[in-house]
Amino acid sequence: DAGVIQSPRHEVTEMGQEVTLRCKPISGHDYLFWYRQTMMRGLELLIYFNNNVPIDDSGMPEDRFSAKMPNASFSTLKIQPSEPRDSAVYFCASSLGGTGLPVDQPQHFGDGTRLSIL
Amino acid sequence: DQQVKQNSPSLSVQEGRISILNCDYTNSMFDYFLWYKKYPAEGPTFLISISSIKDKNEDGRFTVFLNKSAKHLSLHIVPSQPGDSAVYFCAASSLNRDDKIIFGKGTRLHILP
Repeated sequence: DAGVIQSPRHEVTEMGQEVTLRCKPISGHDYLFWYRQTMMRGLELLIYFNNNVPIDDSGMPEDRFSAKMPNASFSTLKIQPSEPRDSAVYFCASSLGGTGLPVDQPQHFGDGTRLSIL
Repeated sequence: DQQVKQNSPSLSVQEGRISILNCDYTNSMFDYFLWYKKYPAEGPTFLISISSIKDKNEDGRFTVFLNKSAKHLSLHIVPSQPGDSAVYFCAASSLNRDDKIIFGKGTRLHILP
């Protein structure tokens, strides 16, 4: 039973380059979340989708960040241009139903992409 | 302004003893609370949750206590085992607001041999 799959696991690139992070949610899950983890801010929600539609992108830090979900099995988070302060671990999570449903349907996280911008 | 606060960045506990991780929240509208556990190089995994209408939920060695008047919850692990060494995230959500979970910054638990 495959979990949430993220790629790449590690990304090192130079400032100014475009970065694309990818996520495959668990089949059948209708919610997809993108999080960023840093030492200073902990785990913060960037954007989430319901049935492929972006619902809330208020956590996206700047216009340099964009996310898409072209179909139920794939999502991307893009940073263009990248900056050193974007260095963090980015997690994708999916769930069956939103958090408004009973708590036995929690979010399932991928193993993250560790992004380093030089 | 952090709505979910974990004020202890780290905690060390002797193996076999009780580990107590604390969490405070500011939003009285939260309906339920969750704890996630995270190992290095892995994503967080759901551990245990509690509804705001309860004050205790137990699952094996893990018990979560909720004090609504103090806006405080805690996770008790007893007895603590080496495999419990991880980062623990406290999280909260509201049934009537949106589908977002608000996470704390996490507490790193070290179980000492």
